[in-house]
Amino acid sequence: DAGVIQSPRHEVTEMGQEVTLRCKPISGHDYLFWYRQTMMRGLELLIYFNNNVPIDDSGMPEDRFSAKMPNASFSTLKIQPSEPRDSAVYFCASQRQPNTEAFFGQGTRLTVV
Amino acid sequence: DQQVKQNSPSLSVQEGRISILNCDYTNSMFDYFLWYKKYPAEGPTFLISISSIKDKNEDGRFTVFLNKSAKHLSLHIVPSQPGDSAVYFCAARSPRINEKLTFGTGTRLTIIP
Repeated sequence: DAGVIQSPRHEVTEMGQEVTLRCKPISGHDYLFWYRQTMMRGLELLIYFNNNVPIDDSGMPEDRFSAKMPNASFSTLKIQPSEPRDSAVYFCASQRQPNTEAFFGQGTRLTVV
Repeated sequence: DQQVKQNSPSLSVQEGRISILNCDYTNSMFDYFLWYKKYPAEGPTFLISISSIKDKNEDGRFTVFLNKSAKHLSLHIVPSQPGDSAVYFCAARSPRINEKLTFGTGTRLTIIP
């Protein structure tokens, strides 16, 4: 298996623009997580899905952030409009079942200027 | 409110010596703890875990110790090798929401040759 695949690897955008981050989880994994890594807060959980259904979005910072999982093999995290403080590395992770380890993608480094 | 804390942002250790990374948690409901390792430009990868019914788990050069009364765990790496230079994240899980991990802010370990 290729692992969790995220795209793009790097994204530079201007403030106010819409940004869409993409994730393909490992096949057969029922859970998908979106994390944001910052110096201050480490790995911060934004939202997670179970069988394509959002379970907990309490970590989503503002209404500017939204996430979807239209099918078992694809998820998006959208920021609209983007702001400089959104600059961070965003990770997607998938997990087969509860109480198993989560596998992370390589991340998307987002820079909003 | 940071429920999992790694108070040392960085640590430097001589090659061949022991590296000790520390992690504290505040939520007494956590019953499973994991360590993830992250290299630059890569996603975190699972390293070792421990259940709260144990106080020690060993895997090769890596040992995790858990002190439940102190709500403290530590990762020992011995002997330290240059390839161990990475950021280490501590994570915890509660039985109530056992698919979700809460991460610390990470400790950057540098092994000096």
